[in-house]
Amino acid sequence: KAGVTQTPRYLIKTRGQQVTLSCSPISGHRSVSWYQQTPGQGLQFLFEYFSETQRNKGNFPGRFSGRQFSNSRSEMNVSTLELGDSALYLCASSSRTGGTDTQYFGPGTRLTVL
Amino acid sequence: GEDVEQSLFLSVREGDSSVINCTYTDSSSTYLYWYKQEPGAGLQLLTYIFSNMDMKQDQRLTVLLNKKDKHLSLRIADTQTGDSAIYFCAESPLTSSNTGKLIFGQGTTLQVKP
Repeated sequence: KAGVTQTPRYLIKTRGQQVTLSCSPISGHRSVSWYQQTPGQGLQFLFEYFSETQRNKGNFPGRFSGRQFSNSRSEMNVSTLELGDSALYLCASSSRTGGTDTQYFGPGTRLTVL
Repeated sequence: GEDVEQSLFLSVREGDSSVINCTYTDSSSTYLYWYKQEPGAGLQLLTYIFSNMDMKQDQRLTVLLNKKDKHLSLRIADTQTGDSAIYFCAESPLTSSNTGKLIFGQGTTLQVKP
């Protein structure tokens, strides 16, 4: 099976712009979670989608949003970018079988805000 | 509360065993995970353990869980230079189970010297 894919791999934006990141989960996986990774804060949970519904949300401002499509692909959007949004954004997919939250991660999108 | 602590750095000689330690606070966590991250890459799932288990072995990897002390460890036998990476432990709190939220430690950088 193909793994989790994320596009684009690298992005450079300027403050005030908005950005959309895409994640394609492993075939058959219906859950997609998003995380932000920074040197200072580490890995922080953004949100999770299952069957096109957001089921959980981390402690991030409303500028961070996401959605999931019927084929389980997910996008996250960050509006009005700030310098502090520079980070590696990781998505993970899970099959949600057997009660485990075992998540498989993509390679990430490296966002740089200038 | 939800908190996971790891030591930040471990240096070993090639061929030695490495032991990476982790403590967590949420005793309701059902599953605990170990992930590996190489430079510029996403997170690779190494192994996980269910909270009613004490030990799990998978080839060179041994996971020990002391639920009473909320302590998790990952032992890598015969450590190789290719094992050099950052290792993250993560918990899946019961309050967030099945909703995609993992709580990660800060990561332990493993340096393997030839």
